[in-house]
Parts: sequence; structure tokens; C-alpha cells
Amino acid sequence: ETGVTQSPTHLIKTRGQQVTLRCSSQSGHNTVSWYQQALGQGPQFIFQYYREEENGRGNFPPRFSGLQFPNYSSELNVNALELDDSALYLCASSSPGGTANYEQYFGPGTRLTVT
Amino acid sequence: ELKVEQNPLFLSMQEGKNYTIYCNYSTTSDRLYWYRQDPGKSLESLFVLLSNGAVKQEGRLMASLDTKARLSTLHITAAVHDLSATYFCAVDLHSGTYKYIFGTGTRLKVLA
Repeated sequence: ETGVTQSPTHLIKTRGQQVTLRCSSQSGHNTVSWYQQALGQGPQFIFQYYREEENGRGNFPPRFSGLQFPNYSSELNVNALELDDSALYLCASSSPGGTANYEQYFGPGTRLTVT
Repeated sequence: ELKVEQNPLFLSMQEGKNYTIYCNYSTTSDRLYWYRQDPGKSLESLFVLLSNGAVKQEGRLMASLDTKARLSTLHITAAVHDLSATYFCAVDLHSGTYKYIFGTGTRLKVLA
């Protein structure tokens, strides 16, 4: 069974640029959630995708957008990067309603630095 | 607005001692989750608590849930150095739209 993977591992961008982060779900999982974790803080929920549709969103502006593909992999896109977007971005996959009992499995994360 | 608070925020304890981390949340939630995070690493799922009175144990960690009090506890028995990490609780909500809220985290340091 393949776990959750994310790419890239690290990324440095300049303020105003755009970035795309990628996540491959664990095998059999149809739900992906994205989180932003600033240094020394708890993770903040960005949004969740279930079967290619966004079904929940945290308090993040529209410049944070996402996609989920038919194979349940996912992308997080951030436009017009700001310095405060520097953080660890985590994705997690789950299979609600199944035997996993809503447990989320997290990927290793992408460390984004905005300069 | 759903809020999740943990206390203490920092905990330094001696090996062999017992202690409890508390997680309070502000509104009715379907499920309560506990995670562990080592420095510079991702999150590791520890427990998922699905109903009032649920108790789960794994090794030296035991989690419980009281939905009426909106309180979960993570009890550490006979702490060992390897338990040093940051522990987060989290709750999720299905109310029209889905939300997932993490607590503030408890940074645990177990001293040898």
C-alpha cells in the first residue's frame, strides 16, 4: 500500500509569484485535505476535496485554489504569493465512511518559502 | 465559530511520571482526533474517537472523549523520552460544509 506523497519537498518563490503543490493520495482514498502550518503553529485547514468537488473550506482567500483529479491526486495552487504564505503545506487523504473511520493520513509536506 | 483549545501549551516532565493533556472544543463535533508531530516532520495519527465515552489506548497513551463536556484527554503513563513531541487534537464538522480545526498543540518534553 502506497502512502501519501507530496512534491516538491522544498520550494522557494518570490512575492507575487504563483505556485502549484502536488499530492498523491493513499491507495483507495477518495478524499484529500490541504493544510497550512506556519512555524510554531498548528495546522490550518485550507480545503477538502471529495470525488473531485470541493466540499469544505477554511478561512483562506480565493487566491488559494485546488483541484482533485479522477485518480484522486490533488493540487494546491496559490496565486500572488505573500511573505505570510511561507509555511509547511500538508495534504492528507482519507476515505470517509469506510473502514478507515475518517482517519487522515498525512504526507511529508512541502516547505514553501516566499522571499 | 469553532475553537479548539489545548492545555497546557508546554509540558516538561520527568521520565516515569504520568500526566494528562486536555482538549476543549466550543461546539458539537462529530469526531475527535489526536496527532503527534516530531520537529520538522509531518503529522502522525494517534487516535480517532467517534462517540461519547470512547476510550482508546496505545502503549503509554490513552485518549478519551466526553462529548457532553466537549472535552477530550490524552493521558500519558510512565513517560519515556521517546514520547517527546508536539501533540495536537482536532475536531471536524459537517454542517453544510466541512471544516477541520486543530487545537493549539501541546509541546511535550520528557526529561531523562
